[in-house]
Amino acid sequence: QKEVEQNSGPLSVPEGAIASLNCTYSDRGSQSFFWYRQYSGKSPELIMFIYSNGDKEDGRFTAQLNKASQYVSLLIRDSQPSDSATYLCAVNFMYSGGGADGLTFGKGTHLIIQP
Amino acid sequence: EADIYQTPRYLVIGTGKKITLECSQTMGHDKMYWYQQDPGMELHLIHYSYGVNSTEKGDLSSESTVSRIRTEHFPLTLESARPSHTSQYLCASSEWFSGSSSETQYFGPGTRLLVL
Repeated sequence: QKEVEQNSGPLSVPEGAIASLNCTYSDRGSQSFFWYRQYSGKSPELIMFIYSNGDKEDGRFTAQLNKASQYVSLLIRDSQPSDSATYLCAVNFMYSGGGADGLTFGKGTHLIIQP
Repeated sequence: EADIYQTPRYLVIGTGKKITLECSQTMGHDKMYWYQQDPGMELHLIHYSYGVNSTEKGDLSSESTVSRIRTEHFPLTLESARPSHTSQYLCASSEWFSGSSSETQYFGPGTRLLVL
């Protein structure tokens, strides 16, 4: 069973602080991991992806992956009110033959940045 | 970045009408998807396609149907709309990266459907 778990929130963070969003997944063989941001009433937009253990930084965003713990996180530094949105974690689960089976999305974490 | 277009963006229609939601992408992606999402709720995969002449049902049962006659076009049809079909419908296409064995999905802007 392919499962991606996120705390639904809301997660409230003061402006300028670091927001930390977490995600766990069920399949140890998963290869790639994605974070999408979705504003209310809009479609999801890709923020970043990560394939290797460790940290990947892109501007104010840092994705962290720990495959041994089946855990991926997204850190947002210097949080801004415009970062208020729902953040979706998505995982590429793999077929036993090695092909990817689309993306499985978590339910999302609602983030609120308080001015 | 993928260019994915959905029309109409908003649709209000009466019960019993037949509707087709259009989705097109210009990036030559083979895989395409339809998701349904109610406000504040999670994404539900309703249909997907591996390529031309391929259509598969997703995780959520849906009364809609899809077709894939051309790579760039993946329309979704409801033969007889009902109020329970009121939702947001999101189309996506994906790019396969063989080097990392991964697939990245890009979403269209969505169609908001209201069935009266």
